[in-house]
Amino acid sequence: ETGVTQSPTHLIKTRGQQVTLRCSSQSGHNTVSWYQQALGQGPQFIFQYYREEENGRGNFPPRFSGLQFPNYSSELNVNALELDDSALYLCASSLPSGGVTYNEQFFGPGTRLTVL
Amino acid sequence: AQSVTQLDSHVSVSEGTPVLLRCNYSSSYSPSLFWYVQHPNKGLQLLLKYTSAATLVKGINGFEAEFKKSETSFHLTKPSAHMSDAAEYFCVVSDRNTGNQFYFGTGTSLTVIP
Repeated sequence: ETGVTQSPTHLIKTRGQQVTLRCSSQSGHNTVSWYQQALGQGPQFIFQYYREEENGRGNFPPRFSGLQFPNYSSELNVNALELDDSALYLCASSLPSGGVTYNEQFFGPGTRLTVL
Repeated sequence: AQSVTQLDSHVSVSEGTPVLLRCNYSSSYSPSLFWYVQHPNKGLQLLLKYTSAATLVKGINGFEAEFKKSETSFHLTKPSAHMSDAAEYFCVVSDRNTGNQFYFGTGTSLTVIP
């Protein structure tokens, strides 16, 4: 069973540029969530995709956008990069949750983005 | 609103002594609660989860946590610390109101002294 993979591992961009981060979900998982983890902080929810549709969004501006593909892999796009966007970006996959219990999310190793 | 408070940003224990990492949560509905561990340069790994079944939850590597609704707590414990337990630990809450959104605490850094 292949786990969650992310690419690239590290990335350096300058202010104003655009970036695309990629994630492959764990086999059999059709739900992908993205998180931003600033240094010394807990991960913050950006958004989630389920069957190629956005299925919930955290408190992030519209310049953070995403896609999910038919094979359930996903992209996170960030436009007009700002210095504060420097962080570890984590992707997590899961099975869809139902009722009042929630499935655990399986996390990838993350992409370290540095904005100069 | 949902939130998680990890009461200690750093905990230091000697190898072989008990570990206690404290977590309090706020949730409008019956919550699901998780503990994840993050080793340096590695992804987040699930230690254990509570989803309205038994209140005492056993996880991997000897860790366990007890859900106490009256205290809104979900503290993580281990009877005997091992050097390999040194890592960052995150308490996470999710509930019906948040859909699939996970709310993370700010983390507790565990140091194990040989």
